[in-house]
Amino acid sequence: NAGVTQTPKFQVLKTGQSMTLQCAQDMNHEYMSWYRQDPGMGLRLIHYSVGAGITDQGEVPNGYNVSRSTTEDFPLRLLSAAPSQTSVYFCASRAGSQPQHFGDGTRLSIL
Amino acid sequence: AQSVTQLGSHVSVSEGALVLLRCNYSSSVPPYLFWYVQYPNQGLQLLLKYTSAATLVKGINGFEAEFKKSETSFHLTKPSAHMSDAAEYFCAVRGFGGSQGNLIFGKGTKLSVKP
Repeated sequence: NAGVTQTPKFQVLKTGQSMTLQCAQDMNHEYMSWYRQDPGMGLRLIHYSVGAGITDQGEVPNGYNVSRSTTEDFPLRLLSAAPSQTSVYFCASRAGSQPQHFGDGTRLSIL
Repeated sequence: AQSVTQLGSHVSVSEGALVLLRCNYSSSVPPYLFWYVQYPNQGLQLLLKYTSAATLVKGINGFEAEFKKSETSFHLTKPSAHMSDAAEYFCAVRGFGGSQGNLIFGKGTKLSVKP
């Protein structure tokens, strides 16, 4: 019963590097989304998807790319990492109007 | 547009005391409201949800919340705090329209429980 799985759990990058945060869910959920969590800011929506092949921007999309080629996977790409992208990243999924299920997060530091 | 305000970034209570975490929302349509809990270095876990049925909603771990439309509030309570309740709590409202039902979160309230 895996739910939402995020990898890696921790990552340190240098400014300018690129990387992909992985997110996979095994519940056949249509909706998937990426949030970032910063101290005192709560969670802010980066990008979301309502199904395979369909993505859209959230509140803070700049510097991030997503794609949704399958129902299960929703990777988040940092194109050129910046220190302002140091954060904890959460992936979530849901079915219809049901509550979202969250992964355990990826803690990303950019030096 | 929907929004959520959590009053108090930090709340401290003694073990056995009442827990009250405040949440006010803004929504132009009947809201779907949620409380999530986050323990240190973990993801978010759903405590309870309001979806326009009963106004008093019971959740896990002895928590409950009351939806008050006249006050646009959805405060979280627990009669008697336990040390294991120490965590960060987030109130959220479901967005409508262009946000496709994604959650809009408050900034969180960190609960400390003193022995």
